[in-house]
Amino acid sequence: DQQVKQNSPSLSVQEGRISILNCDYTNSMFDYFLWYKKYPAEGPTFLISISSIKDKNEDGRFTVFLNKSAKHLSLHIVPSQPGDSAVYFCAASVSGGSNYKLTFGKGTLLTVNP
Amino acid sequence: DTEVTQTPKHLVMGMTNKKSLKCEQHMGHRAMYWYKQKAKKPPELMFVYSYEKLSINESVPSRFSPECPNSSLLNLHLHALQPEDSALYLCASSHPTSGGAHEQFFGPGTRLTVL
Repeated sequence: DQQVKQNSPSLSVQEGRISILNCDYTNSMFDYFLWYKKYPAEGPTFLISISSIKDKNEDGRFTVFLNKSAKHLSLHIVPSQPGDSAVYFCAASVSGGSNYKLTFGKGTLLTVNP
Repeated sequence: DTEVTQTPKHLVMGMTNKKSLKCEQHMGHRAMYWYKQKAKKPPELMFVYSYEKLSINESVPSRFSPECPNSSLLNLHLHALQPEDSALYLCASSHPTSGGAHEQFFGPGTRLTVL
């Protein structure tokens, strides 16, 4: 049972436009969400996170939005650049105790065309 | 120092070999992780060490044996692997905070090929 879903395996956008990557989750215990970016043959790079007490977090060109009632989050990249082309993983965790597990989605391949 | 390093970058081994993967971080993180990642799949958690003690083993076969000699180092000892164990092995670290953030920082990985 997939608890974190990224339903779009790929997304293609033009340079300078907005990229919107979506993620849905089913486990209502998740209260912390993260986005990672991964280039081929490299480890994932942490991009941005959001706690369930917020509905938006912004860091430069990256903004994450969280809709708890819909169990949905999205990553907005504005403006998109060719160097943003990578696989983006959404991940979720449950805070507290000794739970260090991140549950990852399957990833979305973003291609930004010059 | 804000990175996680892993050695070797690539490893090719036979099914009867014994080898080790190494991971190091100097960020003061007290939680360290081993993940396995197959092509076009998300990272799959194998082990978690918290304060140098094994806290999670995701039912990993005993041919994979983790070791945490100190708070900065994490090893993964490999013995009698199978070709299907070929994958990218990722190490990660984080601050273990109760009720707080769980950002995990990943190393570049070791690309393992089992012949």
